[in-house]
Amino acid sequence: AQTVTQSQPEMSVQEAETVTLSCTYDTSESDYYLFWYKQPPSRQMILVIRQEAYKQQNATENRFSVNFQKAAKSFSLKISDSQLGDAAMYFCASPSNTGNQFYFGTGTSLTVIP
Amino acid sequence: NAGVTQTPKFQVLKTGQSMTLQCAQDMNHEYMSWYRQDPGMGLRLIHYSVGAGITDQGEVPNGYNVSRSTTEDFPLRLLSAAPSQTSVYFCASSYGGQGLPLHFGNGTRLTVT
Repeated sequence: AQTVTQSQPEMSVQEAETVTLSCTYDTSESDYYLFWYKQPPSRQMILVIRQEAYKQQNATENRFSVNFQKAAKSFSLKISDSQLGDAAMYFCASPSNTGNQFYFGTGTSLTVIP
Repeated sequence: NAGVTQTPKFQVLKTGQSMTLQCAQDMNHEYMSWYRQDPGMGLRLIHYSVGAGITDQGEVPNGYNVSRSTTEDFPLRLLSAAPSQTSVYFCASSYGGQGLPLHFGNGTRLTVT
């Protein structure tokens, strides 16, 4: 089975500052995808960003971007200009080659300090 | 377009009771799945389905039963609830295939006493 590791159970950031959440993964596939999901206190799971492994360019969605290091199997999420609404649990996820099973990390709880 | 709808939002059961968590999606997704979320463990796959009439086990299937009679619905049954099944349950769906994101319901918080 694939493994996804998030080594930071909790992180905090000052409002308007930048924070990076770490994720490492292990897969034997050569072509794969990686995801970050956000879970605010409402419990809803919200897709933040997706990265295709065969693409060299790091994915970006507004204030959210990734630092994808394929050789190191690292997939970090950078949040720029942090806002109070960014406070949430963030999960890194890696699907199986069929897409039938997603493997999730244990999550990082992000606090945004006003 | 409601997306993925899960009911109920909260449920308390006594050990040994049975219940069904309902999940419905209106996006014509072929793939549907159930995950449980436990503190410090992320989300783990219980069962999934790649189409009507087809189901398969995930990482933690014991104590749960599923069926898929229509494309829209994918209920999860707890046959005899145990305290170890206290968790938050999520239903998720997608068009299927690698690279496509999961669309999640809002979750069910289940407590078994």
